[in-house]
Amino acid sequence: EAQVTQNPRYLITVTGKKLTVTCSQNMNHEYMSWYRQDPGLGLRQIYYSMNVEVTDKGDVPEGYKVSRKEKRNFPLILESPSPNQTSLYFCAASWTVGNEQFFGPGTRLTVL
Amino acid sequence: GIQVEQSPPDLILQEGANSTLRCNFSDSVNNLQWFHQNPWGQLINLFYIPSGTKQNGRLSATTVATERYSLLYISSSQTTDSGVYFCAVERDSNYQLIWGAGTKLIIKP
Repeated sequence: EAQVTQNPRYLITVTGKKLTVTCSQNMNHEYMSWYRQDPGLGLRQIYYSMNVEVTDKGDVPEGYKVSRKEKRNFPLILESPSPNQTSLYFCAASWTVGNEQFFGPGTRLTVL
Repeated sequence: GIQVEQSPPDLILQEGANSTLRCNFSDSVNNLQWFHQNPWGQLINLFYIPSGTKQNGRLSATTVATERYSLLYISSSQTTDSGVYFCAVERDSNYQLIWGAGTKLIIKP
């Protein structure tokens, strides 16, 4: 079954404590991306990756890092989380950016 | 940058009704996609439709790229159609999807 998995699904943390949200896909897709979803704003892209070792900033990259060392994994790293990063995060994968996007189940992050 | 506007922002209908959701975009795009986010937060791709018309069961979509809009039609609505519908466009020569704010649809039994 084609799927995108994210962990953890829920996380409550404190300001400044580094965290990583993992994302993994089993479809051998080249394109992966991270979004955050906030009420009234739709989805905003944080970072995307066209392929292994190729990553680029999206519209809201500040405060986030990513890496793409292997095709299946695309972790999102918050080095020093702040309360304004409280949000619902989605990872997505697709063959290319213009093809059908498969989304993970989402990670709800609260930064106190 | 490109703007994506969806209307209406909210829509409440009785089961069995038909609905039309609209997505306007401010510049030329490579493609357009429609997504449904169910009440549990799951995001599902409905259509990949840079132009023309596509149908999938009770849902259909039309994109008129020259006039920079797309329409999503839902016929004979069911309660399971409830959720938020998003359109997202890919900018020309830019490997990003830009999302609208969504239309929240509530179907009452």
